[in-house]
Amino acid sequence: DVKVTQSSRYLVKRTGEKVFLECVQDMDHENMFWYRQDPGLGLRLIYFSYDVKMKEKGDIPEGYSVSREKKERFSLILESASTNQTSMYLCASSTQVLDNSPLHFGNGTRLTVT
Amino acid sequence: KQEVTQIPAALSVPEGENLVLNCSFTDSAIYNLQWFRQDPGKGLTSLLLIQSSQREQTSGRLNASLDKSSGRSTLYIAASQPGDSATYLCAVDSSYKLIFGSGTRLLVRP
Repeated sequence: DVKVTQSSRYLVKRTGEKVFLECVQDMDHENMFWYRQDPGLGLRLIYFSYDVKMKEKGDIPEGYSVSREKKERFSLILESASTNQTSMYLCASSTQVLDNSPLHFGNGTRLTVT
Repeated sequence: KQEVTQIPAALSVPEGENLVLNCSFTDSAIYNLQWFRQDPGKGLTSLLLIQSSQREQTSGRLNASLDKSSGRSTLYIAASQPGDSATYLCAVDSSYKLIFGSGTRLLVRP
């Protein structure tokens, strides 16, 4: 079974702090994604990556950056956390583009910025 | 721009009932459509994936259909159980990324 692991289930940070959200998958998947989920807005794609050291902006990249130094690990970085970044963050992975393989999600990190 | 809509937003049914969840999308140029289940406070679990060339997929009591030309998909749950209570999301794969609907929150009453 594919396992996508997010390092923290709950995180509380202060405004202005630099925040790192870590995600690791164990199935040698090429594709990795970061979404945020908010009531009434659904899941929105922040960034995604199709290969090591490669990244693409999603629909809402502002205020975020990502890092993919190794195939299994995809990090989301909040350079200077703000209260409007309080949300549930979900990491996902899948095999190659157009492979018609399902997306596998981690359990999410609920981030609160105070 | 692809948009995905799910109706109804919430549904409450008695145990044992068969039910249908609806998903519609605006752009028929998709690679696949996926249905997910999300339990409160958790991530999403993949239920079914229908490729663009397929009409339906089945897994146990779940059956998902796809009509690309009309931009619609349905998820049919047979003989519902309280353990089916969750939020169900559909997502379409177009332009190399998944676009999600906002989900249908299902409650199956014992």
